[in-house]
Amino acid sequence: GAGVSQTPSNKVTEKGKYVELRCDPISGHTALYWYRQSLGQGPEFLIYFQGTGAADDSGLPNDRFFAVRPEGSVSTLKIQRTERGDSAVYLCASSSTVENEQFFGPGTRLTVL
Amino acid sequence: SQQGEEDPQALSIQEGENATMNCSYKTSINNLQWYRQNSGRGLVHLILIRSNEREKHSGRLRVTLDTSKKSSSLLITASRAADTASYFCATDRYNTDKLIFGTGTRLQVFP
Repeated sequence: GAGVSQTPSNKVTEKGKYVELRCDPISGHTALYWYRQSLGQGPEFLIYFQGTGAADDSGLPNDRFFAVRPEGSVSTLKIQRTERGDSAVYLCASSSTVENEQFFGPGTRLTVL
Repeated sequence: SQQGEEDPQALSIQEGENATMNCSYKTSINNLQWYRQNSGRGLVHLILIRSNEREKHSGRLRVTLDTSKKSSSLLITASRAADTASYFCATDRYNTDKLIFGTGTRLQVFP
């Protein structure tokens, strides 16, 4: 079956621009997670959804970052007024298991010039 | 912030040798998982061990968990060149499903 997909795979933007990153989870998975990974580091949690609602958004670094999941399936991570420090790989994962085994997408590499 | 740390940061071995990676974490956990990552992109789930388990096996993988020391180890036996990747431990807690990842071990297996 299809895994988690993320689009675009690469995004280059200029400082100050707005970007949207999309995640399509595995069909039927109720939980969806966003992480950010900088070079040489482990992924860092940003936000996760149970269904349509954000269950925990404690990892969002500031109010320039926002995520939605309006129908409980696809999610969009939105970044306003991008800064060079936002450059990273943004990873999405979904899960359906009680034990929280998460399935990751290939990521979107965001480069802010 | 990272929950844990892996050591070593980097490990180079020959095919057929065993590779051992260690993970330490800071707070009480519900589960601990190990993931593999190739080329800095998507992570692949390897194995999950619950906080009330001490050891688990899956194929060539063996994971141990010592909650008193807040540490875990991942052993890959009879390594192959295809095992070359970064390996991360990740923990979650009882009141949240978010994963907190360690800093990772970069494993290089030479043919």
